[in-house]
Amino acid sequence: DIQMTQSPSTLSASVGDRVTITCRASQSISSWLAWYQQKPGKAPKLLIYKASSLESGVPSRFSGSGSGTEFTLTISSLQPDDFATYYCQQYNSYSPGLWTFGQGTKVEIK
Amino acid sequence: QITLKESGPTLVKPTQTLTLTCTFSGFSLSTSGVGVGWIRQPPGKALEWLALIYWDDDKRYSPSLKSRLTITKDTSKNQVVLTMTNMDPVDTATYYCAHRPPTGGKAFDIWGQGTMVTVSS
Repeated sequence: DIQMTQSPSTLSASVGDRVTITCRASQSISSWLAWYQQKPGKAPKLLIYKASSLESGVPSRFSGSGSGTEFTLTISSLQPDDFATYYCQQYNSYSPGLWTFGQGTKVEIK
Repeated sequence: QITLKESGPTLVKPTQTLTLTCTFSGFSLSTSGVGVGWIRQPPGKALEWLALIYWDDDKRYSPSLKSRLTITKDTSKNQVVLTMTNMDPVDTATYYCAHRPPTGGKAFDIWGQGTMVTVSS
């Protein structure tokens, strides 16, 4: 099974800060990585797919990078609406086609 | 506009079988490349991928839960059903279904609102 490890688990930041979250895969997943944002009591929202493609309607302050086993989500200038929990997900649809989420990173107000 | 909605019991007893239904609109599960998945989230914990079914009836399961899960589709009803056997209190969670689009190389782009399931005697 492919394991996904996010760091940090919690991040304290201020409005306007540049924020970076890291996700590591236990084996190469090429670019089959997505990032989601989740707010309390709500379903996750897709932000980034294929490691660096921005989902339609998502602000351009969000960006993703990486390939293989190392990936990052960057928020260039943190906004009040961005305080939430972020999850990475590997979704290699080919052999064996099993998907996995990271354990999440909570972005809190400093 | 794509929407998905989960339905099922809010309370099940330990050892019982849970049956959840995802009813969707705005797409067809007979369209090449489309998939519908199930994901759960225990209170205060992380998301956990459970299962995924594709338009061609290809099915994938989480290895840790594979022996307990069955996913099926009814294309005519626009529904996907997930059954989980031998429920335990640790299975208490919000269960989500989500849409996997046929193109673009995306993962789950649209999610249902989720349904909370409590396992307790």
